Amino acid sequence: DAKTTQPPSMDCAEGRAANLPCNHSTISGNEYVYWYRQIHSQGPQYIIHGLKNNETNEMASLIITEDRKSSTLILPHATLRDTAVYYCIVRVGNTNAGKSTFGDGTTLTVKP
Amino acid sequence: DAGVIQSPRHEVTEMGQEVTLRCKPISGHDYLFWYRQTMMRGLELLIYFNNNVPIDDSGMPEDRFSAKMPNASFSTLKIQPSEPRDSAVYFCASSGIPLDREFHQPQHFGDGTRLSIL
Repeated sequence: DAKTTQPPSMDCAEGRAANLPCNHSTISGNEYVYWYRQIHSQGPQYIIHGLKNNETNEMASLIITEDRKSSTLILPHATLRDTAVYYCIVRVGNTNAGKSTFGDGTTLTVKP
Repeated sequence: DAGVIQSPRHEVTEMGQEVTLRCKPISGHDYLFWYRQTMMRGLELLIYFNNNVPIDDSGMPEDRFSAKMPNASFSTLKIQPSEPRDSAVYFCASSGIPLDREFHQPQHFGDGTRLSIL
């Protein structure tokens, strides 16, 4: 699985959009980008994934650059409950292994 | 729907004792993962199973650690004998239900067992 690089921490004002970047310059053609988050004292929670097209679900949007070397997770209207560590993971998607390597992630703090 | 269930939520024991952590995956999931999380090393994959069979145990730190999955609805992670450096939060996760036709399978995590070895 390709390695990812994320900023260690970010702040965001409540109600504003939170944009979390991730670099994955060594990503392979069959590798997908997954995002998870971990709220304090809980297990990681799946947010969204994508291959090359932008994706949106009820939790967030994922923007992947055309060269696929980086991506941005967007929380459109951050709330205090979105304060968490956000992990960007790159792995082969169309296998059943499900094995993922979690890096250090970005600690997002949403402030009132 | 019930998520991944882990027990106990907290465990405090003395060095040298045997520790058994338990996990019930989501019904219908055919993959089960055990992770360990510490401040120093982050979230590490220890071992994972497919259809109750261990597939990759390369993350298991040493012979004191063992994991079993006797059936599709139960798994254990055992540490014997335990040492203070085993203190961590241990997570169990399961996956298996495809999100879409390309069979992307996000992992669903339990809330972990916080283990303290004195």
